[in-house]
Amino acid sequence: AQSVTQPDIHITVSEGASLELRCNYSYGATPYLFWYVQSPGQGLQLLLKYFSGDTLVQGIKGFEAEFKRSQSSFNLRKPSVHWSDAAEYFCAVGAGNQFYFGTGTSLTVIP
Amino acid sequence: EAGVTQSPTHLIKTRGQQATLRCSPISGHTSVYWYQQALGLGLQFLLWYDEGEERNRGNFPPRFSGRQFPNYSSELNVNALELEDSALYLCASSDGRAPADEQFFGPGTRLTVL
Repeated sequence: AQSVTQPDIHITVSEGASLELRCNYSYGATPYLFWYVQSPGQGLQLLLKYFSGDTLVQGIKGFEAEFKRSQSSFNLRKPSVHWSDAAEYFCAVGAGNQFYFGTGTSLTVIP
Repeated sequence: EAGVTQSPTHLIKTRGQQATLRCSPISGHTSVYWYQQALGLGLQFLLWYDEGEERNRGNFPPRFSGRQFPNYSSELNVNALELEDSALYLCASSDGRAPADEQFFGPGTRLTVL
């Protein structure tokens, strides 16, 4: 069965530090991959997506993600975190007729 | 351009009642998706409508149902409410014909079952 795993429930980083949020998926073929962010009281906003081609994708707000087929991973990175990045981050997989979300990683940014 | 809108923002019901949640997609989008976001469980796929037809549903009981209207807006109905139905219900829309396409999300309806 398809699944999406975000192994880190909660991460705390200092403002200005680098960030990496992990995402692993289980699917027979290469799925469509997404990262969304959810700020408190808000809906989900798409940060970036991977369908095919270059495995390093750039997104909004300075985020990037790298697709690694051999590791079935799609980790999200940002070189320097801002206080406004504090939010919930969701990895998602589009496969067939379904869309699967991970359980999310909550990011806290300390000054 | 207006985004996905959902109403009401909050809904409080008692166990056994019925709840109706509404969603208006982005203009031009024909697909609407419903998700349940319960505390600690992430987002669970509920239903997918496209061109007025139910295309797929997630692993939820039949008391979760919905429909899509000719203007592509959608309703989610939850019958015989149970306490564990308390969650944020998110609607998303896309102009693609598969859930693998980019989805645009509304702010959600917070359903509380007492």
